[in-house]
Amino acid sequence: NAGVMQNPRHLVRRRGQEARLRCSPMKGHSHVYWYRQLPEEGLKFMVYLQKENIIDESGMPKERFSAEFPKEGPSILRIQQVVRGDSAAYFCASSPRAGYYNEQFFGPGTRLTVL
Amino acid sequence: DAKTTQPNSMESNEEEPVHLPCNHSTISGTDYIHWYRQLPSQGPEYVIHGLTSNVNNRMASLAIAEDRKSSTLILHRATLRDAAVYYCILRRSADSNYQLIWGAGTKLIIKP
Repeated sequence: NAGVMQNPRHLVRRRGQEARLRCSPMKGHSHVYWYRQLPEEGLKFMVYLQKENIIDESGMPKERFSAEFPKEGPSILRIQQVVRGDSAAYFCASSPRAGYYNEQFFGPGTRLTVL
Repeated sequence: DAKTTQPNSMESNEEEPVHLPCNHSTISGTDYIHWYRQLPSQGPEYVIHGLTSNVNNRMASLAIAEDRKSSTLILHRATLRDAAVYYCILRRSADSNYQLIWGAGTKLIIKP
């Protein structure tokens, strides 16, 4: 059973461009979480999605950031008009069920560098 | 959200036990204690979780204080592959979003 897949692993963008980060959850998992990690810091929650629904986006910046998890295909985190401060590692996690006791399975991350 | 406090870093010798402490003095009765670890340049990995009783799995043991204000992750025989940042996280059962609230973690250094 393949783990959580994220691509690309590394992404370089110039200021003002768009970044699209993809996450394929583990087979059978319908809950997806996105986190951002700055160097030497812990992860910060961004958004929690189920298939076709955004459940909680309280950690998402109000502008330029959006996320989706369509019925078919991977979850997408989209950053429009990137700025240098968006440079970070972005991790996706999935779980088979919602619940405070369920573990989350993480992907390897996408490291975004904004020039 | 309830917060956790961990030492910034710890060192241990290979093949010796490691005890990683975590303080969570503001924990509520419905908060689960979760531990994750993150190896260099990788995504985090679940280690263990518990509520009140001590827990064991193939990776580690979790010892929870009787008042639940602190816990200790125990690696029984550390190897070089256990060098990672270990995060102690509280998850509230009343939250509907199930997000993980991360602190800075403890960087575990294993000396050969």
